[in-house]
Amino acid sequence: EVQLVESGGGLVQPGGSLRLSCAASGFTFSSYWMSWVRQAPGKGLEWVANIKQDGSEKYYVDSVKGRFTISRDNAQNSLNLQMNSLRAEDTAVYYCARVGYAYGFFDYWGQGTLVTVSS
Amino acid sequence: DIQMTQSPSSLSASVGDRVSITCRASQTINNYLNWYQQKPGKAPNLLIYAASSLQSGVPSRFSGSGSGTDFTLTISSLQPEDFATYYCQQSYTTPRTFGQGTKVEVK
Repeated sequence: EVQLVESGGGLVQPGGSLRLSCAASGFTFSSYWMSWVRQAPGKGLEWVANIKQDGSEKYYVDSVKGRFTISRDNAQNSLNLQMNSLRAEDTAVYYCARVGYAYGFFDYWGQGTLVTVSS
Repeated sequence: DIQMTQSPSSLSASVGDRVSITCRASQTINNYLNWYQQKPGKAPNLLIYAASSLQSGVPSRFSGSGSGTDFTLTISSLQPEDFATYYCQQSYTTPRTFGQGTKVEVK
């Protein structure tokens, strides 16, 4: 059974940093692109970042470029999101998602972890 | 960036109704269009990928159609567990973008 379990969310002050992690199991982690998707309270879904199977390609939404870094550890089956210079508008539930082999859909999602940026 | 526009933003329907939700892309995305269902407090769940392919385990009352810029999600006979919010998403190019969502409510 595919499982994705996020951790690392919490309350942080504006300008602060936080590192999210996603533990993957039940599939060959190193064979899949992975993504982070977020959802601000009461709002819709927003794709944040993608990373290729070997970590050689990474893509970000413009609003987080230069502040967030996606990474992965295939030996540990883990996906990470380092978030720096956090802003109030980064407040959201952050989901880890697996990218399907073709067509780029998100076929499995974690339960999400809440990040609150507030003073 | 490709903008995804869903309509309507919300709808009221009854159990057994046929429900359709449309999604329009600001430029052609071929069939790189996916649909998700999300219930309150839960992660989204993939329903349809590549515009019309039913994800494994999803009931056959869900179907998708369209290509290019215009797409439709249809629920043939609405069930109690289908009251939720539905999102379309394009995977043709980066950044991946979602529609704003369509909330299906009880009439």
